[in-house]
Amino acid sequence: DAGVTQSPTHLIKTRGQQVTLRCSPKSGHDTVSWYQQALGQGPQFIFQYYEEEERQRGNFPDRFSGHQFPNYSSELNVNALLLGDSALYLCASSLTAGQNYGYTFGSGTRLTVV
Amino acid sequence: DAKTTQPNSMESNEEEPVHLPCNHSTISGTDYIHWYRQLPSQGPEYVIHGLTSNVNNRMASLAIAEDRKSSTLILHRATLRDAAVYYCILRDSGGYQKVTFGIGTKLQVIP
Repeated sequence: DAGVTQSPTHLIKTRGQQVTLRCSPKSGHDTVSWYQQALGQGPQFIFQYYEEEERQRGNFPDRFSGHQFPNYSSELNVNALLLGDSALYLCASSLTAGQNYGYTFGSGTRLTVV
Repeated sequence: DAKTTQPNSMESNEEEPVHLPCNHSTISGTDYIHWYRQLPSQGPEYVIHGLTSNVNNRMASLAIAEDRKSSTLILHRATLRDAAVYYCILRDSGGYQKVTFGIGTKLQVIP
């Protein structure tokens, strides 16, 4: 049973560019959350998608946006990249928002902004 | 969001038990206590969760204080593969959840 798949695994972008990261949730999961993890820090919540809608949002600017597709996969878009956006971006899936189940995380996308 | 407090780092000898503490003094009645661990270059991995009673699974045990303001993750016999950052988080049982991770506890296992 495949877990959470994220692509690409690594990415280098130039300041000011735009980037799209992709996530396929674990089979059977319908909720996707995105996290940003800077070096030496814990994951910081960006937003959560359920039924193709953003349900919760963390303290991130509007440059960070997302989308969830009918097959539950999700994209994270970041516009006007800043050097400070360099981080590991993690996708986590779970079964049905509002229920208490554990998250399954992907291995992340390492984004470097130069 | 309720917050948790953990020691930044801990050490354990291989094959000895490890007790990782977590304080969550502002926990609400509907918050579940979850533990995750993160190995280098990987995403966090679910370990265990509980509400009020102690819980056991193949990976670890979770001991929850009677007042629920603290909990302890117990690894019964630490191995080198258990060296990781361990996160204690709170998740409400209802609604859409904005889960907050702290810095976690970096566990070093000494051979």
